[in-house]
Amino acid sequence: DTAVSQTPKYLVTQMGNDKSIKCEQNLGHDTMYWYKQDSKKFLKIMFSYNNKELIINETVPNRFSPKSPDKAHLNLHINSLELGDSAVYFCASRLRDYQGETQYFGPGTRLLVL
Amino acid sequence: SQQGEEDPQALSIQEGENATMNCSYKTSINNLQWYRQNSGRGLVHLILIRSNEREKHSGRLRVTLDTSKKSSSLLITASRAADTASYFCATPYSGAGSYQLTFGKGTKLSVIP
Repeated sequence: DTAVSQTPKYLVTQMGNDKSIKCEQNLGHDTMYWYKQDSKKFLKIMFSYNNKELIINETVPNRFSPKSPDKAHLNLHINSLELGDSAVYFCASRLRDYQGETQYFGPGTRLLVL
Repeated sequence: SQQGEEDPQALSIQEGENATMNCSYKTSINNLQWYRQNSGRGLVHLILIRSNEREKHSGRLRVTLDTSKKSSSLLITASRAADTASYFCATPYSGAGSYQLTFGKGTKLSVIP
């Protein structure tokens, strides 16, 4: 009965590879997000998707591309991985109404680029 | 852009003591939220306080909001070892049809048994 799930939990890969991280939410929420948390715990938003429409792309390199096959899924594809991409990536979701101001986070995907 | 800023960056206390964390923000808000992140886990929403509220309680948590000073505090009473985590304040931003939360850098709380 996990609300927001991500796979994989850990991802170790070589520089230059292409990888994907999957996210699914079973809360019926309208909006999903991807965040990057660096080694200093700073959490920065990368993308926001509402009903399969990209709303926010906060100066993220175009090597990162979100893909939303349906409202419950928002996957993150990363091309040509670089050392600086090493971080923890969190998916989150929110119900898009006045009461839905809180976000529900997945457990995170720890990406290490060697 | 970063909106909230927590203080202190790290806090270490004995079990049973109270822990107070502060958050300052820059622009006007309609609510402020606190989240907890246990080591190796995702963030979990703790409490939301609206701009017309000055104080809010939830179990052992007490949150205050001073909109004139653009600051909030989170008090955890009678702390437990299980409270060991990082705590983040978050403020909403709406623009260009989007809604997002901006998080501070967090306060790392260690509760020593």
